[in-house]
Amino acid sequence: GEDVEQSLFLSVREGDSSVINCTYTDSSSTYLYWYKQEPGAGLQLLTYIFSNMDMKQDQRLTVLLNKKDKHLSLRIADTQTGDSAIYFCAENPGANNLFFGTGTRLTVIP
Amino acid sequence: DVKVTQSSRYLVKRTGEKVFLECVQDMDHENMFWYRQDPGLGLRLIYFSYDVKMKEKGDIPEGYSVSREKKERFSLILESASTNQTSMYLCASTRTNRTPYEQYFGPGTRLTVT
Repeated sequence: GEDVEQSLFLSVREGDSSVINCTYTDSSSTYLYWYKQEPGAGLQLLTYIFSNMDMKQDQRLTVLLNKKDKHLSLRIADTQTGDSAIYFCAENPGANNLFFGTGTRLTVIP
Repeated sequence: DVKVTQSSRYLVKRTGEKVFLECVQDMDHENMFWYRQDPGLGLRLIYFSYDVKMKEKGDIPEGYSVSREKKERFSLILESASTNQTSMYLCASTRTNRTPYEQYFGPGTRLTVT
């Protein structure tokens, strides 16, 4: 079955870079996703990467994909206090469904 | 602006009570989902529905049932609430076979069973 793992907590200082890591098991996913959950809210799609890509950059966000190791990472440059949230990676192995990781709670220290 | 709404943000119920959680989406999406979110466990799928009156079990359906009588509404039912069902419940919806595949989430219902 699908198993998507993340570390539970990450703390960084404002202005530093954050790197959130994820390992997944299903190699058939066409896309891999990062969702963000702000306090008191549901999840929102933050970014995604096509499985044939190694890297995707979107403003302060950089997604890296290592298919061989089944490792996905999200880098946030110049981390701000508004980036404090829980970040979930997710895989989509072909069905109309997503499998989410355990979530990483990012705390940004002013 | 797309919207998924849930009937309550906070709910407190007693053990043994029947609990209804309602979810409504205004995007004409075919698929709707119920998850529960617990610290350290992430999101776990309870049930999903890909059409009116259709339902499929997710990873943790025990103790729950669902109802989808209209396309826009998906209800989660706890027949007899227990303390281990204290959790955050999230509803989501999405269109079928649209890639990249994005689920739209409601704000969640924090249920406490005492």
